[in-house]
Amino acid sequence: DIQMTQSPSSLSASVGDRVTITCRASQSISRNLNWYQQKPGKAPELLIYAASTLENGVPSRFAGSGSGTDFTLTISGLQPEDFANYYCQQSYNIPVTFGGGTKVEIK
Amino acid sequence: QVYLVQSGPEVKKPGASVKVSCKASGYSLTNYGISWVRQAPGQGLEWLGWLSVSNALTYYAPKVQGRVSMTTDTSTSTAYMELRSLRSGDTAVYYCVRSLNSGSTLGDAYDVWGQGTMVTVSS
Repeated sequence: DIQMTQSPSSLSASVGDRVTITCRASQSISRNLNWYQQKPGKAPELLIYAASTLENGVPSRFAGSGSGTDFTLTISGLQPEDFANYYCQQSYNIPVTFGGGTKVEIK
Repeated sequence: QVYLVQSGPEVKKPGASVKVSCKASGYSLTNYGISWVRQAPGQGLEWLGWLSVSNALTYYAPKVQGRVSMTTDTSTSTAYMELRSLRSGDTAVYYCVRSLNSGSTLGDAYDVWGQGTMVTVSS
């Protein structure tokens, strides 16, 4: 199985900050990397697919980059509604695997 | 609007089975794959398997292989996930999710999620 390692597991930030979350795959997954946001008690929502393509309706302050084994999710100008958990997911190989998650909290 | 609407919460005893339903609306169920993902309380996301609705091809995660079945009823646009021989470690919220791309794409992003079904396994 491909292991997905996210870091940090949690972070504290203020509104307006630039935040970066990283995701590392245990082997190359090309650009088959997706990002989700999950708020408490809700289902996850797709933010970015294929490493850098923004899902319809997702604000442009979210950006994804990377290929191979190393990927990043950047939020430029953190908004109050962005405080949530974020997960990466590889869709390169079966079984599909997710990162352990990053909790973005208010400082 | 595209929706996946799941069945309600379940409480089961160890060793029992549970069958969760997932009704699709706003699109044709046969055009997209359906996967199932679960999340134990306070934990991350775990993929359970994938079903190609058009040809009933399935892939299951090794952890649940042999205990899980994923099926569909196209006449009612409903997908099902049955998990047997339940144990306490199966306590989780179970989500059905739609593949982003149409066709039989095995690995994919998931653009539509059901609201989740809480399954509690307790004696």
